[in-house]
Amino acid sequence: DSGVTQTPKHLITATGQRVTLRCSPRSGDLSVYWYQQSLDQGLQFLIQYYNGEERAKGNILERFSAQQFPDLHSELNLSSLELGDSALYFCASSVVPTGSGNTIYFGEGSWLTVV
Amino acid sequence: AQKVTQAQTEISVVEKEDVTLDCVYETRDTTYYLFWYKQPPSGELVFLIRRNSFDEQNEISGRYSWNFQKSTSSFNFTITASQVVDSAVYFCALRVTGGFKTIFGAGTRLFVKA
Repeated sequence: DSGVTQTPKHLITATGQRVTLRCSPRSGDLSVYWYQQSLDQGLQFLIQYYNGEERAKGNILERFSAQQFPDLHSELNLSSLELGDSALYFCASSVVPTGSGNTIYFGEGSWLTVV
Repeated sequence: AQKVTQAQTEISVVEKEDVTLDCVYETRDTTYYLFWYKQPPSGELVFLIRRNSFDEQNEISGRYSWNFQKSTSSFNFTITASQVVDSAVYFCALRVTGGFKTIFGAGTRLFVKA
């Protein structure tokens, strides 16, 4: 158990819909990361937050957005869903984002299936 | 630009065999960190090891060992006496100093047959 909690674990939804994935970081971790793992793209970095502020952005679609709340939990919002958005979405956390040697710990992921 | 290459897409071994997973990375930075993660069939990602670029000592942890060679930009992972429970996808990853994202390789899927 990494200490990072993600909900829901599994989600099936229809195209065009909107979903929200939730992440609670490990206790004491201020930085949260979101990754998408799809069959054809491997593991892709989406976005990172540190203490409530966006810190870095990767290959995140405009239909997707995220935020980190004052209690440090984070949500990833996926809208206008397409079949290609079906993937495993990971949340990860670390103590701080810089001093890059900080290990990031991953949650168990949220399986999203768009039908 | 940074890049991580795991050339082995899939490896299949019989239990008790030793297996080495290759990882080659590219970066122009002199300070960076390398990681290995395991993804078992259940899907979660499990941290295995972190290595910084100034520490080239090989590391052994039980049946796992890692060989870091800066001269060849490689950070290979060996499982000794493999077991069925080692069946998983293994990811090698790179992060450079000041970088906010971790670059992952495509992963190597390891099948260990009984």
